[in-house]
Amino acid sequence: QVQLVESGGGVVQPGRSLRLSCAASGFSFSSYAMHWVRQAPGKGLEWMGVISYDGINKYYADSVKGRFTISRDNSKNTLDLQMNSLRAEDTAVYYCAKGRVAISGYFEYWGQGNLVTVSS
Amino acid sequence: QSALTQPASVSGSPGQSITISCTGTSSDVGTYDFVSWYQQPPGEAPKLMIYHVSSRPSGVSDRFSGSKSGNTASLTISGLQAEDEGDYYCSSYTFSSTTIFGGGTKVTVL
Repeated sequence: QVQLVESGGGVVQPGRSLRLSCAASGFSFSSYAMHWVRQAPGKGLEWMGVISYDGINKYYADSVKGRFTISRDNSKNTLDLQMNSLRAEDTAVYYCAKGRVAISGYFEYWGQGNLVTVSS
Repeated sequence: QSALTQPASVSGSPGQSITISCTGTSSDVGTYDFVSWYQQPPGEAPKLMIYHVSSRPSGVSDRFSGSKSGNTASLTISGLQAEDEGDYYCSSYTFSSTTIFGGGTKVTVL
């Protein structure tokens, strides 16, 4: 069955960097776009960005453009989110989600979520 | 880009039907059929309930249905059950190749 397991979260000071990873299994990882979605405590879902199946095309939400970078390693079935210049408002549970073949569409499977806390 | 607009809360009695609206613009909901709906129980990850406006994934009850008219999409839950309580989010693909979510709707079964 499809599994998405995030790792790398924790507490980080404002202005510092953190890298999240998502290990995928149970499907042909290299055939699907992958997304990152976050949820601040007590708030709604916020789409962060998407990477195409081949890693060539990437799109980001305005709130993180220029600070966050999505990458993938199809040989290892892993998805990464590099977060730089972190701010208190980046505190959230971060989910990786399996998309469609195209970058548009829906999120069929979600990871369990990984909490990132930005605090001094 | 602003979030899609959803009512903050919707409630109904067991057995009733409720509808959650999701209003966007011609740059997202009004142009693309890539509208989807997610159910999120407290403390859990979201679950896909409807995709491509009105399609249901395998395993999702046929009590859940979706539709769209103009810039507004809707999720209808028929025969409301206690297990349907939770937060519901809509999402849409946009003209800028991004995705946006609605603010979420809390469903309460009275």
